[in-house]
Amino acid sequence: QKEVEQNSGPLSVPEGAIASLNCTYSDRVSQSFFWYRQYSGKSPELIMSIYSNGDKEDGRFTAQLNKASQYVSLLIRDSQPSDSATYLCAVKSASGYSTLTFGKGTMLLVSP
Amino acid sequence: ETGVTQSPTHLIKTRGQQVTLRCSSQSGHNTVSWYQQALGQGPQFIFQYYREEENGRGNFPPRFSGLQFPNYSSELNVNALELDDSALYLCASSLGSPEMNTEAFFGQGTRLTVV
Repeated sequence: QKEVEQNSGPLSVPEGAIASLNCTYSDRVSQSFFWYRQYSGKSPELIMSIYSNGDKEDGRFTAQLNKASQYVSLLIRDSQPSDSATYLCAVKSASGYSTLTFGKGTMLLVSP
Repeated sequence: ETGVTQSPTHLIKTRGQQVTLRCSSQSGHNTVSWYQQALGQGPQFIFQYYREEENGRGNFPPRFSGLQFPNYSSELNVNALELDDSALYLCASSLGSPEMNTEAFFGQGTRLTVV
């Protein structure tokens, strides 16, 4: 059973702060890792992908991957109220059908 | 805008009825996956199509079935609807074969309510 675990939150941060979102996964042969943002009532929007250990930066977003610890995180710098959403961690395995397994998501609330 | 289009956006059906949901993948994307997202949960994998063949199936009963067409568009069919089938149904498309390290992009979803 492939599992992806996220703290459901809500994670509350003030505007301008750094938001740190975490995710652990159980499948050791996972190969691809994604962060999606989902606003209430909308569909998931891809914001970051990461495939190798280390950090990947894109604007205010940084994804961090540690395959040995089976851990992936997303940092959002200079958080804005418009960042308030649920953040879904998704993991793709190198075994089986190579589909995405999602966590339940972490709700982020950025207060002005 | 991802280029993935789903129809309809909202649907209300009665228990026991059948429903067909449609998805047009992003241009050139030949892998299409369907997910069910219940309120407060992450998306759950239903099945995946690649080159018009089912290429993986999640823990869903046979009354959930699908098709992929030569233009890579896809349908999700659900027979004998149950109240628990009420959810947001999401279609995602990606470029290349399923085992490749590629990104999946979602359509806007179909909100199905079964009464």
